[in-house]
Amino acid sequence: ELKVEQNPLFLSMQEGKNYTIYCNYSTTSDRLYWYRQDPGKSLESLFVLLSNGAVKQEGRLMASLDTKARLSTLHITAAVHDLSATYFCAVGDTSGTYKYIFGTGTRLKVLA
Amino acid sequence: NAGVTQTPKFRVLKTGQSMTLLCAQDMNHEYMYWYRQDPGMGLRLIHYSVGEGTTAKGEVPDGYNVSRLKKQNFLLGLESAAPSQTSVYFCASSDQRAPQHFGDGTRLSIL
Repeated sequence: ELKVEQNPLFLSMQEGKNYTIYCNYSTTSDRLYWYRQDPGKSLESLFVLLSNGAVKQEGRLMASLDTKARLSTLHITAAVHDLSATYFCAVGDTSGTYKYIFGTGTRLKVLA
Repeated sequence: NAGVTQTPKFRVLKTGQSMTLLCAQDMNHEYMYWYRQDPGMGLRLIHYSVGEGTTAKGEVPDGYNVSRLKKQNFLLGLESAAPSQTSVYFCASSDQRAPQHFGDGTRLSIL
């Protein structure tokens, strides 16, 4: 059974600092996604990672995937207040079910 | 394009009442999903569908039923609402290996 662990659950950081959010999963998968959710809003897609070693970057966010370690990271560079949100990873189940399992989310607060 | 539309956006029910949440997508996606989101628990999959006329159970299916009679619509039903079903419900749709598109959510309170 696929399980997804995300840490930390909460992250409070100063503007200008760097930090990394981790997403570990328990069984083989061929697709991993990162989403952002603002308070009271829906989820929006940030990155799609479909192969080992995949790296995607958008602005101050960079996501990577290591399928051998079953680990994805979301790295934040020089954080700004606008990045405050909750970030989720979601891992695709490859047992032929086409379903996704979400991590519990990381609530990020960037302090001025 | 509207994307994924959920109705209603808010609802208050009494214990034991029934209701149906509607999800409609206009992107011709094969796959559709219903999740519930509770504080500190991320999104948990209730039921999903891989095509018209198909449905399957997710992580937390008990107390819910679904139907997908038309490709663009995915209905989530609560036959006898319980306070434990108070949550925010999200519908999503996708094509294979593409990211999911989410609706705006339905905030459901059961008294």
